[in-house]
Amino acid sequence: RKEVEQDPGPFNVPEGATVAFNCTYSNSASQSFFWYRQDCRKEPKLLMSVYSSGNEDGRFTAQLNRASQYISLLIRDSKLSDSATYLCVVNRVNDWTGANNLFFGTGTRLTVIP
Amino acid sequence: DGGITQSPKYLFRKEGQNVTLSCEQNLNHDAMYWYRQDPGQGLRLIYYSQIVNDFQKGDIAEGYSVSREKKESFPLTVTSAQKNPTAFYLCASSRSPSGNEQFFGPGTRLTVL
Repeated sequence: RKEVEQDPGPFNVPEGATVAFNCTYSNSASQSFFWYRQDCRKEPKLLMSVYSSGNEDGRFTAQLNRASQYISLLIRDSKLSDSATYLCVVNRVNDWTGANNLFFGTGTRLTVIP
Repeated sequence: DGGITQSPKYLFRKEGQNVTLSCEQNLNHDAMYWYRQDPGQGLRLIYYSQIVNDFQKGDIAEGYSVSREKKESFPLTVTSAQKNPTAFYLCASSRSPSGNEQFFGPGTRLTVL
C-alpha cells in the first residue's frame, strides 16, 4: 500500500467553483501534514500545513482527521491561477536518524476553466 | 536573495556516462535532500544529509552517489548503474533534520539518450 494516496484527478472546474481534494495516509505514526502546490515543470512549493483543528488561509481550507488518516483541501472561488498540481505530503521522523522524512502523494491536477 | 539553486536546468547524457547534478543553498540549512520525480509518481527520496560529511540512503539510492563536503552544497552523481536515470531531479533543504518544511530548488531535468 502506498504511504500517501490521493484522488487521481484531473479536476476541471469553472472559475468561481469550489473544489475539494482528498488524501489518505497509511502510517499512523505520521506526525505532520502538508499541501504543496506544483506548477507544470516547476518545483513543489508549500501551500499550507494541515492541523488537527483545521486551518484556513484565504480561499483555502485544510482539514485533518487522524482517526481516519484522512486529509482534505478545499478551494473556494477558484481562480485561473489556481491551476496546478496539488501534492499531499506527510512527515514522519525517522526513529534511527531523527531525520525528517517526507512522503509525497502523486498529486491531483486542477485546471480552472474561464 | 536566499534560496536553493540547481544547475543545469536541462541535461542530456549518453547512456553509460556518469553525470553530476549541482545543488547549492545559501539558507544556512543543515539538512539537504535529493528526490526524483517521474510521471504519475510522487517524489521519491534518493539520499539525504543531516549535517556536513554525513548522508543516508533514501528509498531509491541504488545507482546514485552523493557528497556533503560543505554545508551549502550537496551534489548528486547519477552513475551508469542507474537503470532508468531519465527523470526530474529535485533538491531540497530544511533548517534542521527534524524541520518540517522543506524548500525546493527549481530542479534538473535529466534525459539519457
